[in-house]
Order: sequence, then C-alpha cells, then structure tokens
Amino acid sequence: AQSVTQPDIHITVSEGASLELRCNYSYGATPYLFWYVQSPGQGLQLLLKYFSGDTLVQGIKGFEAEFKRSQSSFNLRKPSVHWSDAAEYFCAVGAHRLDGYNKLIFGAGTRLAVHP
Amino acid sequence: DVKVTQSSRYLVKRTGEKVFLECVQDMDHENMFWYRQDPGLGLRLIYFSYDVKMKEKGDIPEGYSVSREKKERFSLILESASTNQTSMYLCASSGFGTSGSTTRQYFGPGTRLTVL
Repeated sequence: AQSVTQPDIHITVSEGASLELRCNYSYGATPYLFWYVQSPGQGLQLLLKYFSGDTLVQGIKGFEAEFKRSQSSFNLRKPSVHWSDAAEYFCAVGAHRLDGYNKLIFGAGTRLAVHP
Repeated sequence: DVKVTQSSRYLVKRTGEKVFLECVQDMDHENMFWYRQDPGLGLRLIYFSYDVKMKEKGDIPEGYSVSREKKERFSLILESASTNQTSMYLCASSGFGTSGSTTRQYFGPGTRLTVL
C-alpha cells in the first residue's frame, strides 16, 4: 500500500540556518511527489512537485527537493531559513489510478519553528 | 488565478446538529475531495467525488456524507455532529487524467469546526 513517512514531527531552526525536512514514501510505480506548506489557519499551498526528469526540483520561496529513487526519499531543503518559513510542511505522493481518478497520500506533517 | 473557496472559516455547532460544509471551485475540475486534518495525523481523506453525483469513500467516511449536484460544488454533511468531529476540514480539487499535473490538488482555506 502507498504511504508517506515524515519522521520529524517538530523541527526548530535559527533564522539563517539551513533546513532539511525528510520524506520517505512507499509506492510501487514511478511516483508523483509533492511538498505543500500550510501557514497557521490557512489551506495548503504547493511548494514544489516532481513528476519526472531532473531529480532536483526547484520550488517557490527558495525551496528545493531531491528525488532519490534508491532511497525512496524526497527531502525538502532550503539553504537559509527566514522567520516567515515557520509553518507546517506536508509531503505527498500521488496515487494515480488508470481510470484517471487521482488521489494524494499525505504524510503526517512536520511543524517548523524558526528562532530569531 | 485558480480558486477553491469554503463557505465558512470557523463554525461552532452543538452535538446532534446537522452540519453542512460547502466547497466551490472555479477551475472546472472533475475531482473534488474532503479531508480532515488533526494534529499529528496529517490529512485524512473522508470522501472524494470524480463527477457530478459520483462519490467514493475515503479512509474515514464514518459519520459523514457528501453531495455533488453541480460540478463546481461539493458539500460535506455531518448528519449528527459529535464532539469527536471537532477538526479542521479542507476541501481540494484536481483535474481528470493520469498525468502529474492532474494529480496536483488545489486547496481551499479550510473550515475549523468546533462541536460542543
């Protein structure tokens, strides 16, 4: 069965420090992978996605993620965190069905706190 | 700009009341989804709909029903609200097809429901 694991429930970093949020997935075929961000009281906004091709993908707000098939991972990175990055981050894998009715399987989320 | 709207940001209801949560999308998407979000559990799929009047149960459908009479509108119904249904409810939509772009989901801002 498809699943997504985000091992870190909470992470705290200092402003200006680098960040890596981990995501591991279980999926039988080539995955579609997504990272979403949720600011407090808001819906989910897409940060970046991987469908195929270059395994290093760039997203909005200076984020990037690298798809590693051998490790079944899709970790999110940012070289220098800003206080406004404090939010909850969700990794998701697309469970695409042949009938076209696609679903997303979400991880439990990682809550990021940023110290000034 | 694509948009998914939800009828209420905050809602307070009493145990036993019938509750309607409404979601509207303006992207002509075939698929629409209702999720429940609880701390530490990520997003859990309640129901999704792949066409007008068509629906499919998600992972946690008990205590909920849905209605989709028009393509742009998807309603979540709590027939008799209970305190354990206090949660954040997120609506999303996506297109039809097996590509990565149609797997991407667009989210509304969420409805925080409190059942007293």
